[in-house]
Parts: sequence; C-alpha cells; structure tokens
Amino acid sequence: AQSVTQLDSQVPVFEEAPVELRCNYSSSVSVYLFWYVQYPNQGLQLLLKYLSGSTLVESINGFEAEFNKSQTSFHLRKPSVHISDTAEYFCAVYGGGADGLTFGKGTHLIIQP
Amino acid sequence: NAGVTQTPKFRVLKTGQSMTLLCAQDMNHEYMYWYRQDPGMGLRLIHYSVGEGTTAKGEVPDGYNVSRLKKQNFLLGLESAAPSQTSVYFCASSGLFLAEQYFGPGTRLTVT
Repeated sequence: AQSVTQLDSQVPVFEEAPVELRCNYSSSVSVYLFWYVQYPNQGLQLLLKYLSGSTLVESINGFEAEFNKSQTSFHLRKPSVHISDTAEYFCAVYGGGADGLTFGKGTHLIIQP
Repeated sequence: NAGVTQTPKFRVLKTGQSMTLLCAQDMNHEYMYWYRQDPGMGLRLIHYSVGEGTTAKGEVPDGYNVSRLKKQNFLLGLESAAPSQTSVYFCASSGLFLAEQYFGPGTRLTVT
C-alpha cells in the first residue's frame, strides 16, 4: 500500500514570491507521481506527472516538481506566483493495482497581494 | 467529447432519504472510481469498478452502493443518507494506463 503526506495544509505567499509545496510518499514498489490542482468550486485538473526518465518535470504554467527517490519526495515549486495560482494542490501516487491513486490531504496555496 | 460528466451538480437531502449520483464517460474507459472530498482529508476512494458488471470496495465504502450496468456509466447510491455523508463527490475514469485518471466536475451533496 502507498501513502502520501503533504506537510503543509496551508501556505500563504506574497505575489511574485517563490513557493514550494512539499509532498512525501511511502511505497514498497516503484511509483508514478502526480500533482493535481483544484481551483475554487471546480474539479481536479492534472498539473504535472512523473512517470519515468528525467526527475524534473514541468507544467505549462511555470510549476515544476522534482522526483527524489532517496528522500521519497516530489515537491512542487514555482519561482514566482500569481494571484491566479490560488488553489488547492493535491499530491498523488500510483503504485499499481486497480484501485487507482492515493491522494495526500492537500495544500491550500494562498497568494497575498 | 465530453470526458467525464456527473449528474447532478448539487443536491440537498434530508437524513434518511435516498439518492443516486450518475457518472458517465465517453472515452471507452474500463476503470471508473468514486471519491469523496472532505476538508483536510483529501480525496478518499469509496468504490471502484474494473469493468462492466464488476465493482469493488475502496477505503470508505460504508453507507454507499454502486453499480456498473453499462461500461460508460457508474452509479453511486445512498440508501439512507446521513449528515456524515455531506461531501463533494468526484467520479474518475482511466483507460489501460491506470495511473492516469480523468475527473468529473463533482457533485456537492448536503445532508441535513
């Protein structure tokens, strides 16, 4: 079985400042890793994913995440945030099996002007 | 191509009432899932299906039933709603690559 820990339930950041949302996982098997974003009153959208290859993955809107196998982490970063990045961010892991993804509890990113 | 749709978008029930949530997907996916989302709890798997006519329990199945009579539809039923079932419910589907799930827009259910 897998588990995901998002260390911060809430992260306040000033606009144009950098941000890091932390995600750690545990699994006895190789995993695929995902970050989903949920804007207010909307569903979940896939932000980025790590399947294999380069450990640094990027999204189209400036976020990036780095897979660190030794530290079992997949932290999400953005060098300069915008008001429109205000959302809930979920880290998820897939370790095989038909029951799909295991999600973390989410981190609420709050951008302050 | 609508992807994954959910009906209804909002619903208010009284304790003890029953209802069915409908999830439909037009991507010919074999796998479908029902999650509930509660503040501070992330998404938790209620039930899932690996194909037409098959269902299985997830992490929090109590109080819910599901059916998958057609490949494109996955129904979630509450036989006797309780206030603890107040939540946002998300449906998802995936194809051969199980890790990649596509989510519906959600149903906000309030039980009073």
